[in-house]
Amino acid sequence: AQRVTQPEKLLSVFKGAPVELKCNYSYSGSPELFWYVQYSRQRLQLLLRHISRESIKGFTADLNKGETSFHLKKPFAQEEDSAMYYCALSRDSSASKIIFGSGTRLSIRP
Amino acid sequence: DADVTQTPRNRITKTGKRIMLECSQTKGHDRMYWYRQDPGLGLRLIYYSFDVKDINKGEISDGYSVSRQAQAKFSLSLESAIPNQTALYFCATSDLSAGDTGELFFGEGSRLTVL
Repeated sequence: AQRVTQPEKLLSVFKGAPVELKCNYSYSGSPELFWYVQYSRQRLQLLLRHISRESIKGFTADLNKGETSFHLKKPFAQEEDSAMYYCALSRDSSASKIIFGSGTRLSIRP
Repeated sequence: DADVTQTPRNRITKTGKRIMLECSQTKGHDRMYWYRQDPGLGLRLIYYSFDVKDINKGEISDGYSVSRQAQAKFSLSLESAIPNQTALYFCATSDLSAGDTGELFFGEGSRLTVL
């Protein structure tokens, strides 16, 4: 069965420290992976997707098919990064088949 | 700005009552979705619709029904609400014309409490 696992419910780091939010998936096909973010009092929105190979707000994520992981990383955390982050998997490149992980709340301490 | 709007934003009701959550969008997207968010469980898909004549069940459709009244409107109904349907509900859209790359555009959410 397809599954997205985010093992950390809460991650707290100091400003300026590196951040890594973990995401593992199980899927037998070729998945499309995404990170969505929800800042306080804002809507859930797409942060980045692996096919774009882009860096957004300093965040990057590399798809590791061998480890079935798609961890989100940022070298230097900023206070405005505090938010809820969801890893998501699309089973056929379609939004209709997206599965979300349970989410990780990132808290950046000053 | 093109938007996804949900009403009501907050609702408290009693067990057994019928509840409707409404979603309208001005993005011109074909596809619309209803998700439920519960702490520790993330977002789970309830129903989705590819166009007015196409309605599909998601992973947790039991106890819910939907209506796609127009391309821009997608309503979620709880015919007889129960306490474990207390949750935050999100409407979302995606753009088929852009190849449906997997990006979802979310509304602000409707918080439902069933007593």
